Amino acid sequence: NAGVTQTPKFQVLKTGQSMTLQCAQDMNHNSMYWYRQDPGMGLRLIYYSASEGTTDKGEVPNGYNVSRLNKREFSLRLESAAPSQTSVYFCASSPYGGADTEAFFGQGTRLTVV
Amino acid sequence: ILNVEQSPQSLHVQEGDSTNFTCSFPSSNFYALHWYRWETAKSPEALFVMTLNGDEKKKGRISATLNTKEGYSYLYIKGSQPEDSATYLCAPRTGNQFYFGTGTSLTVIP
Repeated sequence: NAGVTQTPKFQVLKTGQSMTLQCAQDMNHNSMYWYRQDPGMGLRLIYYSASEGTTDKGEVPNGYNVSRLNKREFSLRLESAAPSQTSVYFCASSPYGGADTEAFFGQGTRLTVV
Repeated sequence: ILNVEQSPQSLHVQEGDSTNFTCSFPSSNFYALHWYRWETAKSPEALFVMTLNGDEKKKGRISATLNTKEGYSYLYIKGSQPEDSATYLCAPRTGNQFYFGTGTSLTVIP
């Protein structure tokens, strides 16, 4: 009953370091998303992947890259971390198709860049 | 980017009180309106999905209505309980994207 699994749960980076946040879902969903959550800002879309082999920018893509490795996995990479990227990151997935299909979220990754 | 507004931003109510919040969104290009419940230190979980003007959904003491013509949805909680304390997010969905509001934070005081 795993659903959407994110790793790691917590991470501290130094400015300029790189890292990859991993996300995997076992629900055979086509669409996957990366959001960041900041106080007072709600959930903002970084990138999404409508289906395997496609990725698109969301509202706040600068400083991030993504890879849809296969249908299950969607990773988010910070090439050169900045303090402005301190946030809680959520991965989500959703079946492709009607707009009435809900999103399922992972438990989040709390990232601090010092 | 869709402009989604939720009000109030936060709310404190006494146990047993009934309460409601509002989600406003652009009425054009509407596909579906989602409500999520987000407890502290957990991840958001879906409450309702509504697609048709006039839709009403209910789950226990929580219900929601949708007006797509004027671009708003109401979430009602009847007889609030401490376990209802959470942030309630609304998200219109167009195509493949969800557009989340900033949420209404509800605290129910025992």
